Amino acid sequence: AQSVTQLDSQVPVFEEAPVELRCNYSSSVSVYLFWYVQYPNQGLQLLLKYLSGSTLVKGINGFEAEFNKSQTSFHLRKPSVHISDTAEYFCAVSEPYSGAGSYQLTFGKGTKLSVIP
Amino acid sequence: NAGVTQTPKFRVLKTGQSMTLLCAQDMNHEYMYWYRQDPGMGLRLIHYSVGEGTTAKGEVPDGYNVSRLKKQNFLLGLESAAPSQTSVYFCASSPGQVRGDTQYFGPGTRLTVL
Repeated sequence: AQSVTQLDSQVPVFEEAPVELRCNYSSSVSVYLFWYVQYPNQGLQLLLKYLSGSTLVKGINGFEAEFNKSQTSFHLRKPSVHISDTAEYFCAVSEPYSGAGSYQLTFGKGTKLSVIP
Repeated sequence: NAGVTQTPKFRVLKTGQSMTLLCAQDMNHEYMYWYRQDPGMGLRLIHYSVGEGTTAKGEVPDGYNVSRLKKQNFLLGLESAAPSQTSVYFCASSPGQVRGDTQYFGPGTRLTVL
């Protein structure tokens, strides 16, 4: 089974500063990678995903992530954060699950981003 | 278009009580999922369904049962609640079997078992 490691459980950053949230995965086969965001007291929503092609993936709200196969990483970045970016961010990998044609998401433990005014 | 909705939003149970969480989606999605979220644990898959009338176990199925009698609804049941089931429960749905499909999440149900 594949696994996802989010290296930082909490990341404080000042408003308008850049941020990088780190994610590493374990896999020896092709991977499909996702970043989801969870705002306080809400469900998760997709930020971006990497399926194939360009290794730089752009998502919503100015976020982007770079797939690095040699380092098995999929770090999330934003050049200038806003207060509204305060949330928990989850990295996830799609992998085959029991049953024909079934794919499931395996999530990392999450990184809480706190933007300081 | 409401997306994925969950009922109720909050619930407090006593140990041994039973309850059912309802998830509904109006996107005509084939796949539906139940996750639980615990602090520092991320999301863990409880059960999932690949279509109406089918269900399957996920990573942490013990103590839960599910049913999918209608395509748009996915029910999660706790027959005899335990304090270890205190958690936030999320339902999600996705269009089908394509590996890159996005999962769409509901707002969650916060369950406390005393």
